[in-house]
Amino acid sequence: GQQVMQIPQYQHVQEGEDFTTYCNSSTTLSNIQWYKQRPGGHPVFLIQLVKSGEVKKQKRLTFQFGEAKKNSSLHITATQTTDVGTYFCAGYDYKLSFGAGTTVTVRA
Amino acid sequence: EAQVTQNPRYLITVTGKKLTVTCSQNMNHEYMSWYRQDPGLGLRQIYYSMNVEVTDKGDVPEGYKVSRKEKRNFPLILESPSPNQTSLYFCASSLSNQGSEQYFGPGTRLTVT
Repeated sequence: GQQVMQIPQYQHVQEGEDFTTYCNSSTTLSNIQWYKQRPGGHPVFLIQLVKSGEVKKQKRLTFQFGEAKKNSSLHITATQTTDVGTYFCAGYDYKLSFGAGTTVTVRA
Repeated sequence: EAQVTQNPRYLITVTGKKLTVTCSQNMNHEYMSWYRQDPGLGLRQIYYSMNVEVTDKGDVPEGYKVSRKEKRNFPLILESPSPNQTSLYFCASSLSNQGSEQYFGPGTRLTVT
């Protein structure tokens, strides 16, 4: 069955630095979504990527969908304390499967 | 305001005592689902429903039941809770089951002793 792997599980970042979290699927995806869950909160939709090689930006966040539509990445530049939380990818082929998430902490 | 609500938000119960967690959405979404979140395992789908009276098992359905008698409501039932069902539960809804944006409820923290 479909599996979505996400790495790293934890990311400790110095404020102002960049980091990237990666998502890999065992199957080719129709689309991939990214969610953010703040500590104590619920997952909130960030973005959806559909096309092969697609790149979308939201301020300091850059999302990419791989050419083969089996992997994706989220890159955050100039990390801020507001970026703290867990970032999930969710890949859709015939069903939506979530990765285990990357939990981000920020050192001020 | 478009939202998904869940009740209760926190629940401590004992093994074997039946409980229901309610979920309601006001967005007229057809697709609803339940997830449990455990450390290191992400969000795992328990059950989903594509429309009224249509429900199906997700990845971890054992020990759970659901019903969908009305479009807006999708309760999760634990007939005989066990300690391994201690978890954080999220209800979610979306326009369709074709990989569209999921709207999550605030979560229910369940502890079974």
